[in-house]
Amino acid sequence: QITLKESGPTLVKPTQTLTLTCTFSGFSLSTSGVGVGWIRQPPGKALEWLALIYWNDDKRYSPSLKSRLTITKDTSKNQVVLTMTNMDPVDTATYYCAHRPAYWDNWFDPWGQGTLVTVSS
Amino acid sequence: EIVLTQSPGTLSLSPGERATLSCRASQSVSSSYLAWYQQKPGQAPRLLIYGASSRATGIPDRFSGSGSGTDFTLTISRLEPEDFAVYYCQQYGSSLMYTFGQGTKLEIK
Repeated sequence: QITLKESGPTLVKPTQTLTLTCTFSGFSLSTSGVGVGWIRQPPGKALEWLALIYWNDDKRYSPSLKSRLTITKDTSKNQVVLTMTNMDPVDTATYYCAHRPAYWDNWFDPWGQGTLVTVSS
Repeated sequence: EIVLTQSPGTLSLSPGERATLSCRASQSVSSSYLAWYQQKPGQAPRLLIYGASSRATGIPDRFSGSGSGTDFTLTISRLEPEDFAVYYCQQYGSSLMYTFGQGTKLEIK
């Protein structure tokens, strides 16, 4: 059974850097084709893809946020970390990590429960 | 960047009725890379359909997906009370990025 869980601060101040950790089980990020992505959802709004890291350490970022995002993995700890710099109130959202199943499977299944991050002074 | 436009924004139907949700892409999308998700209040999205028409594990057969090119459809043949939720389509494109539609809210009439 694959599970993922996000962790990190619930409140950050404007201009600060957000660091979120996705801890997963039931799969290995060293398995060919596998990936872990980050997706966010502002309250009452749609989903927005942020970043994805592949088993081979290849990384992809949303063009609109690329300058602010960094995604890394620690295969031995079964963790993926997302950092987002220069946080703003508009970045208030629930942040999800999700499993990308296999080499040609460009969808997300399953997802973590999400963590709500509020940006406020 | 490929933009996905979902319609209608809100769909009001009764249990037992048929629901048809649309997802239109601004450019042609590979059917292999089109997925649908269901999201209930306070929950994470759940994968329903991948590859435009394949049901994910455990998804009832009243859910079906179809389409190609720029027009894709999610159909729920007979609505059950637990199907009222928000539905999102998602694509992966040649630009090596993922995008989601803005969602369709399926509400009880």
